[in-house]
Amino acid sequence: GENVEQHPSTLSVQEGDSAVIKCTYSDSASNYFPWYKQELGKGPQLIIDIRSNVGEKKDQRIAVTLNKTAKHFSLHITETQPEDSAVYFCAARDSGGSNYKLTFGKGTLLTVNP
Amino acid sequence: DAGITQSPRHKVTETGTPVTLRCHQTENHRYMYWYRQDPGHGLRLIHYSYGVKDTDKGEVSDGYSVSRSKTEDFLLTLESATSSQTSVYFCATSVQGSEAFFGQGTRLTVV
Repeated sequence: GENVEQHPSTLSVQEGDSAVIKCTYSDSASNYFPWYKQELGKGPQLIIDIRSNVGEKKDQRIAVTLNKTAKHFSLHITETQPEDSAVYFCAARDSGGSNYKLTFGKGTLLTVNP
Repeated sequence: DAGITQSPRHKVTETGTPVTLRCHQTENHRYMYWYRQDPGHGLRLIHYSYGVKDTDKGEVSDGYSVSRSKTEDFLLTLESATSSQTSVYFCATSVQGSEAFFGQGTRLTVV
């Protein structure tokens, strides 16, 4: 099955700086890569996703890049704000069996210091 | 939250007792999932369903069973709860090929 590695496990930045979180995956057949943000006491929420036919996607201050050859993808947050502080998870979709299972990384705790 | 309700939100139970967690959705999504979240492990898939009465195991299914008799309900049962099953459990739903929506979670403590 799919295996997703996520780094770093914790990240602390100053407000206004950029933050980058990186993930690698093992299954070359995976074709969907979402990123989730989880605030304290809540369920994860999708913030951006990318499919394998696209190399980069942006949504305001958030961008995701995908390198299928190297099997890694990254989340980039620019001009960070205190409200960006949360746990971020990357995931890859297991393409086997068409049952759309997501395999998650272990998460990154992002702290944005005012 | 795509109309996902998990119940109960918190539960404390004793070792050896059966426990059932409920996930109810109002979006008519075909796919439903149960994950557990533990520090240092992220979100791990327990079981999932790809239709009524169609379920399959995830990576950490031992000690758990599921049932889906209606599109809107997905039940997770711990047949005999153990301390290692203390965790936060999340239900998620998905429409084919699109994002997964998560519920608010159930915090289960087994004492």
